[in-house]
This record gives sequence, C-alpha cells and structure tokens, in this order.
Amino acid sequence: GIQVEQSPPDLILQEGANSTLRCNFSDSVNNLQWFHQNPWGQLINLFYIPSGTKQNGRLSATTVATERYSLLYISSSQTTDSGVYFCAVVRGSTLGRLYFGRGTQLTVWP
Amino acid sequence: EPEVTQTPSHQVTQMGQEVILRCVPISNHLYFYWYRQILGQKVEFLVSFYNNEISEKSEIFDDQFSVERPDGSNFTLKIRSTKLEDSAMYFCASSDYVVQFFGPGTRLTVL
Repeated sequence: GIQVEQSPPDLILQEGANSTLRCNFSDSVNNLQWFHQNPWGQLINLFYIPSGTKQNGRLSATTVATERYSLLYISSSQTTDSGVYFCAVVRGSTLGRLYFGRGTQLTVWP
Repeated sequence: EPEVTQTPSHQVTQMGQEVILRCVPISNHLYFYWYRQILGQKVEFLVSFYNNEISEKSEIFDDQFSVERPDGSNFTLKIRSTKLEDSAMYFCASSDYVVQFFGPGTRLTVL
C-alpha cells in the first residue's frame, strides 16, 4: 500500500495562534482529503485537494503532488478546532480505498 | 446538505453474537465503503462496493464480514460472530466519484 505520514503527532496551541500540519505520502496519488475528527468521533470533510491550494475561512490547504506532500494551515485557532486532523489519499482510481495517516492531535486552549 | 447516516450510533454486544450495522448513503452516490477505527488508531479500509458487488476488500475483511445493499437506500455491514477485537468505530462512506463523504459512525463494543 501507500504510506501516509503526518506531523506533528501532537500540537498544543493557545487560542488565536496559527499552525501548519503536514502530510507526506510515499507514492503518486489521485485524491487527497483532509478530515477533522471532532470529540464525538465524527469525520468532517475539510478539503478535497489532490493538487493546488484551497481556502475555506480560517483553513487553507496546499498539495504539491510532484513532491508528495500536503499542508493544512489553521489561522487564528479556536477551541472548537481541537480534535484530530487526518490526511487520507487514494492511489490509482479516485474510487479506490482511502489510506489514512495516523493524524495530528490538536488541542487549543482558551 | 445531503449526508450519510448510520444506525445505531452505539451498539453493545456479547462476543460470538451477530451484528448488523446500517448505513444510508447519499442518494445519488453509487460507490460505498466501510472503514473502521480502533480506539486511538488510524482509520482502516474494510471494503468497497459498487453495482451490487464488492469492488475491493482489505485483509481485515475476512469471512466473518459481509456487506449487502438490501434495497435502494440501505447499505449494511454484518459481522457474523463478533470478537473482542472487533470493538471499534465503524464508518460508512459514499462517493460522488471524486470525494468520499463519511457518516457519523457506529461505535461497536464487544463484551
């Protein structure tokens, strides 16, 4: 399979701080998704971003497919941003299985 | 906004019992998936399903597991004889051919 490595594994921030989460993958991919797992365990789609840059409010993501990494930026973090952030990729057909990384556990303190 | 739904949200069962986890994918999606997440670990693929057939399955998806689309809206995962190590959060997902959308999960606890 494809290896997906996320860093850092844990991140603790004060409210208002900015952060960058990284996802490296070992092979070329046709799909990359970022998820936020909230404290109730739900996986919330943040971005579908196999390449390029996207922004949604305080969150943005960049994928450099040729260099096999993606970055998720969180600006002006809030306590509700706490949770685990997962990167997941698909190799081959976009309909294939998602390979997940181990996630970054983000804790934002007030 | 359409979403994937799953029932029940939490199921507790005795080892050796059969469980059926239910999912209603987004209505115009044709590709369906089951994943699981053991507590504290990453999300793992179990099986994908298209056109009433399994498209792909992982090594986890052994003979104890089966999937079915019994009608036009439901998609089910059956575990025939549960083991302690089947305790996990089970997620259903459906795809619009590009993006996989996940349901809220069913937390299965095997005692």
